Amino acid sequence: GNSVTQMEGPVTLSEEAFLTINCTYTATGYPSLFWYVQYPGEGLQLLLKATKADDKGSNKGFEATYRKETTSFHLEKGSVQVSDSAVYFCALSAGGYQKVTFGTGTKLQVIP
Amino acid sequence: NAGVTQTPKFQVLKTGQSMTLQCAQDMNHEYMSWYRQDPGMGLRLIHYSVGAGITDQGEVPNGYNVSRSTTEDFPLRLLSAAPSQTSVYFCASSSAAYEQYFGPGTRLTVT
Repeated sequence: GNSVTQMEGPVTLSEEAFLTINCTYTATGYPSLFWYVQYPGEGLQLLLKATKADDKGSNKGFEATYRKETTSFHLEKGSVQVSDSAVYFCALSAGGYQKVTFGTGTKLQVIP
Repeated sequence: NAGVTQTPKFQVLKTGQSMTLQCAQDMNHEYMSWYRQDPGMGLRLIHYSVGAGITDQGEVPNGYNVSRSTTEDFPLRLLSAAPSQTSVYFCASSSAAYEQYFGPGTRLTVT
């Protein structure tokens, strides 16, 4: 079946540091890939997405590139802020609406 | 435009009690889902609906019922609460693009 593997957290960074959160996936066919963000006490919000190989999704300074050859969708940001502290979920959608699979989430803490 | 709303935000139940978690969306989305979020396990799909009158089971459906009488509403019923159902529950809706819009969640504790 489909699966999403994210790096273990928590990840603690200083403000303005470079961020990478690794995500790899296993899926049949050609899935769409997503990053969602969950701020404390809130529901998940879509951060960015990519629907085909080599697509780059970007939003709020975050980027991720759909790499089919390595089955990866790593999240990056050049300079994190304290306000980026949240839990980040990688997800894929393949084979229909009900086939959305989430990773376990990576908690990011940014310290001033 | 409120998006996806959920009530209540917090609930404490005793084992064996029943309750309904409410979910509503005002985006005219066809697809709606219920997830539970547990530490270290990400989100797991409980039930989903692809339109009014159509529901189906997800990954962890046991102990839960759903119905979808209107496009807007998708309530989740706990029939006889158990401590294993202590979790945070999220409702989500989506158009065919599969990008999901989540509600703020209900934190449920079963004692």
